Amino acid sequence: DIQLTQSPSFLSASVGDRVTITCRASQGFGSYLAWYQQKPGKAPNLLIYAASTLQSGVPSRFSGSGSGTEFTLTISSLQPEDFATYYCQQLNNYPITFGQGTRLEIK
Amino acid sequence: QVQLQESGPGLVKPSQTLSLTCTVSGGSISSGGYYWSWIRQYPEKGLEWIGHIYYNGNSYYNPSLKSRVTISIETSKIQFSLQLSSVTAADTAVYHCARYHYDSSGYYFDHWGQGTLVTVSS
Repeated sequence: DIQLTQSPSFLSASVGDRVTITCRASQGFGSYLAWYQQKPGKAPNLLIYAASTLQSGVPSRFSGSGSGTEFTLTISSLQPEDFATYYCQQLNNYPITFGQGTRLEIK
Repeated sequence: QVQLQESGPGLVKPSQTLSLTCTVSGGSISSGGYYWSWIRQYPEKGLEWIGHIYYNGNSYYNPSLKSRVTISIETSKIQFSLQLSSVTAADTAVYHCARYHYDSSGYYFDHWGQGTLVTVSS
């Protein structure tokens, strides 16, 4: 199985900050990586797929990059609605796996 | 807009079989390019892909659960189902159904059900 490790696990930031979340894989693969945002009591919401493609309707302040074993999700200017938990997911190999999550909270 | 809704018992006794159904609305379950999936989420985060099924019945399961999992599909009812046998307390989780987009434009889960909490307890 491909293990995904996100860092940090917890992040405290302010509105307007630029934040980056990293997802490292236990083995390299192409770009079949997705990022999701989840708010309490809700299902995960797709933000980015194919490592860097923005899902339709997702604000452009979200961006993704990377390949191989290291991927990043960047939020260029945090908005109040962005405080949530973020997950990476690899879809290159079965079984499909997720990172452990990064909880983003207001400072 | 595609919507998915899970249904089934919220409480299952240890050693019994957990059975959930996902009803899809706003789209076809019989079209190519999508797998119909089950994912569970443990308390305090932790997402685990359980498995998924294509409209023609082809399925893939997580090896960690494969011996206990069956996913089936009823295209006429626009539903797909999960059965997980011999459950223990470790199977207590929120169970989500989701649509897995799988074609040349990308692989991703683009629509999810809200999730249903299943507790395993006597």
